Amino acid sequence: EVQLLESGGGLVQPGGSLRLSCAASGFTFSSYAVSWVRQAPGKGLEWVSTISGSGGVTHYADSVKGRFTISRDNSKNTLYLQIHSLRAGDTAVYYCAKVLKGTTVTSFDYWGQGTLVTVSS
Amino acid sequence: QSALTQPPSASGSPGQSVTISCTGTSSDVGGYNYVSWYQQHPDKAPKLMIYEVSKRPSGVPDRFSGSKSGNTASLIVSGLQAEDEAHYYCSSYAGSIIFGGGTKLTVL
Repeated sequence: EVQLLESGGGLVQPGGSLRLSCAASGFTFSSYAVSWVRQAPGKGLEWVSTISGSGGVTHYADSVKGRFTISRDNSKNTLYLQIHSLRAGDTAVYYCAKVLKGTTVTSFDYWGQGTLVTVSS
Repeated sequence: QSALTQPPSASGSPGQSVTISCTGTSSDVGGYNYVSWYQQHPDKAPKLMIYEVSKRPSGVPDRFSGSKSGNTASLIVSGLQAEDEAHYYCSSYAGSIIFGGGTKLTVL
């Protein structure tokens, strides 16, 4: 059974930093691209970032480029998102999501339960 | 890239069919056969219901179907059931992934 379990969320002051983690199981982690998708309270879904199976290719939404860094440790089956210079607009539930297939990110077939990041003073 | 356009709400009675639209442009919905639909119940993670316009993942009831015409994709839910009440989001490949604003489906 595929499982994705996020952690690391919490209350952070504006300008602060945070590292989110996503522990994966139930599939060959290194064979799939994985992504972070966020959802602000009461709002829709927003793709944030994707990393290839090997970790060699990364993509970011313009809204987070330069502040967020996605990485993965295939030996630990874990995905990370390092977030810097947090803003109120980054307040959201952050989901990790497994890419359905291939190297082109077109769909997400499994999602974690999400971790809430709240940016407030 | 702008978000895809979905109606904020849709509704139907049990047993009826309802269609939710998702409108984009020739650079996203119209340009690729990579439209997906996700179901999200309150305080739950999204669940993939349709991918590549009309394909259903294993375990998704065949009451859910998808189609596309030009720049508009559609999710059709037939034989509505109470548990279908949820938010539905479309997405499309457009170099990256863009989502629609979501549609709240109410089963009357």
